[in-house]
Amino acid sequence: DSGVTQTPKHLITATGQRVTLRCSPRSGDLSVYWYQQSLDQGLQFLIHYYNGEERAKGNILERFSAQQFPDLHSELNLSSLELGDSALYFCASSVVGPEQFFGPGTRLTVL
Amino acid sequence: AQRVTQPEKLLSVFKGAPVELKCNYSYSGSPELFWYVQYSRQRLQLLLRHISRESIKGFTADLNKGETSFHLKKPFAQEEDSAMYYCALSGHAGGYQKVTFGIGTKLQVIP
Repeated sequence: DSGVTQTPKHLITATGQRVTLRCSPRSGDLSVYWYQQSLDQGLQFLIHYYNGEERAKGNILERFSAQQFPDLHSELNLSSLELGDSALYFCASSVVGPEQFFGPGTRLTVL
Repeated sequence: AQRVTQPEKLLSVFKGAPVELKCNYSYSGSPELFWYVQYSRQRLQLLLRHISRESIKGFTADLNKGETSFHLKKPFAQEEDSAMYYCALSGHAGGYQKVTFGIGTKLQVIP
């Protein structure tokens, strides 16, 4: 599959814990975007990386951080987890231009 | 600042009835508008973009700059159209391209 991949698919953890979500963009795509999707808030943009550099920040909490590595994969780190962080986390990639290709998402459940 | 508003969280229509999913935007320049769709248990995917002016799966959307709208329409709804629909705007902010998504509208087609 040459599309965007995300691991893990599901993650169940406890409040106060720290997790790392991983995203591999499509081959050749330099941009990676992270989104949080919840029932009441829809799709919320978190952060955008382009070729290893942070390009834009959205509604990302200070407890959350991300990075993009030289091989262009990206990780989203969520710490001091709260119940309200339970959501679907999507990664998307693009080469140039605004069309984004989404991954299947990681479902995070915080108990 | 750029903003996308989708006023309806849920839209229910009967099979065969016309569908109109509303999207209004706020942007000072010339925007690029998109509709993304997310079917149950599938990843978000691009449905259509205003510059292509094409019809996909019977859906069309016209950019109305006077009303700053990009409503998605289909004359006869099908059960397989049931999905989550997101309107998105691509503009430039601080020298970078920025994509903003609306909160999404869940379309429910009643058999």
